[in-house]
Amino acid sequence: GAGVSQTPSNKVTEKGKYVELRCDPISGHTALYWYRQSLGQGPEFLIYFQGTGAADDSGLPNDRFFAVRPEGSVSTLKIQRTERGDSAVYLCASSLDGTQETQYFGPGTRLLVL
Amino acid sequence: GIQVEQSPPDLILQEGANSTLRCNFSDSVNNLQWFHQNPWGQLINLFYIPSGTKQNGRLSATTVATERYSLLYISSSQTTDSGVYFCAVEKNIDDYKLSFGAGTTVTVRA
Repeated sequence: GAGVSQTPSNKVTEKGKYVELRCDPISGHTALYWYRQSLGQGPEFLIYFQGTGAADDSGLPNDRFFAVRPEGSVSTLKIQRTERGDSAVYLCASSLDGTQETQYFGPGTRLLVL
Repeated sequence: GIQVEQSPPDLILQEGANSTLRCNFSDSVNNLQWFHQNPWGQLINLFYIPSGTKQNGRLSATTVATERYSLLYISSSQTTDSGVYFCAVEKNIDDYKLSFGAGTTVTVRA
């Protein structure tokens, strides 16, 4: 596609529920990243995929967060037992093949946990 | 981890004015990008500039890697330049992730 796309644009859920956020990277990009941006702050790294494998998941805050990229293209970020503190904008980015490459960001998913 | 500091935190400009945004980082880097986050939240790539100088229209950027800083210049500012400007760096060749500064919020008044 022309750019990175993310769905849904907005998600409102209740505390304790499960949510899935989807990212469709730029076609041909092997590297995919998830970041989280809280209000008034810069984005913070969550996880990096090279192809189908998670090469670095050191930014995931706890085991309620999990991400997959089964076919090396679309990725899904999964959050279990959501908490109010999970409310943020979740951003996805992709780059051609990883390090020292320009990262291109999607529009984000705004998650609100009530 | 690497520290990224941006200044000033806020900047108010009259349309047509010029400005300079600064990004200091605490370690050597292999990647540095400048982004503009528009009022709808979209992060727009401005420059990939781990070193040297680049220009794109009214915007230009310079990174002095040996002194660990980068500058973003906005000339003849327009109201559409309003938003938050982020500097982000990738520390090591095997690091992959970008570490972002807190941003500079720019408001351009007509």
